[in-house]
Amino acid sequence: KQEVTQIPAALSVPEGENLVLNCSFTDSAIYNLQWFRQDPGKGLTSLLLIQSSQREQTSGRLNASLDKSSGRSTLYIAASQPGDSATYLCAVHGSGNTGKLIFGQGTTLQVKP
Amino acid sequence: KAGVTQTPRYLIKTRGQQVTLSCSPISGHRSVSWYQQTPGQGLQFLFEYFSETQRNKGNFPGRFSGRQFSNSRSEMNVSTLELGDSALYLCASSLDGLGNTGELFFGEGSRLTVL
Repeated sequence: KQEVTQIPAALSVPEGENLVLNCSFTDSAIYNLQWFRQDPGKGLTSLLLIQSSQREQTSGRLNASLDKSSGRSTLYIAASQPGDSATYLCAVHGSGNTGKLIFGQGTTLQVKP
Repeated sequence: KAGVTQTPRYLIKTRGQQVTLSCSPISGHRSVSWYQQTPGQGLQFLFEYFSETQRNKGNFPGRFSGRQFSNSRSEMNVSTLELGDSALYLCASSLDGLGNTGELFFGEGSRLTVL
């Protein structure tokens, strides 16, 4: 059974810091991995999608890496801003192209001005 | 291009009642998935519909059901509501087909409170 863990559960940093959020999964047979952002009381916004054959994806100040063999992904946020404050969720797709994602519990990030 | 639209956004019900939530996927998307989000359990997969057929099902009791229409719009229903059904219900759509990346796009959710 696939399990996804995110560390740390919460993180508070001053504005301008570079930071890394971690995600680990127990079964390396994944189709892809997706990182989301969730603001309080809102839905999920897709940040980055990494296919199982890829090592990393970049979008602006965000960079996500994937190491399938070790069951790990990291989300790197450069030059953090107060607007980055949110909960970041990692989710994996099992084998097969379906709508079923297994989510981690998320990392709640606070960036202080 | 409109995103995933969920209605209603907020609703309050009492125990024993039933509720129906609606989801309109992104135009052209044929797969619709439903998720329940609670503080204790996080995000959990309910079910997925594709071409009006349930393709996947999570580990929820039979009180939770859904359907998909020919225009890909989907509804989920919860009967005999319990206090523990209070949650944010999220709908996601994806473009299914050969070569698809499998990326899911979520709506804003329907916040259900059961009293």
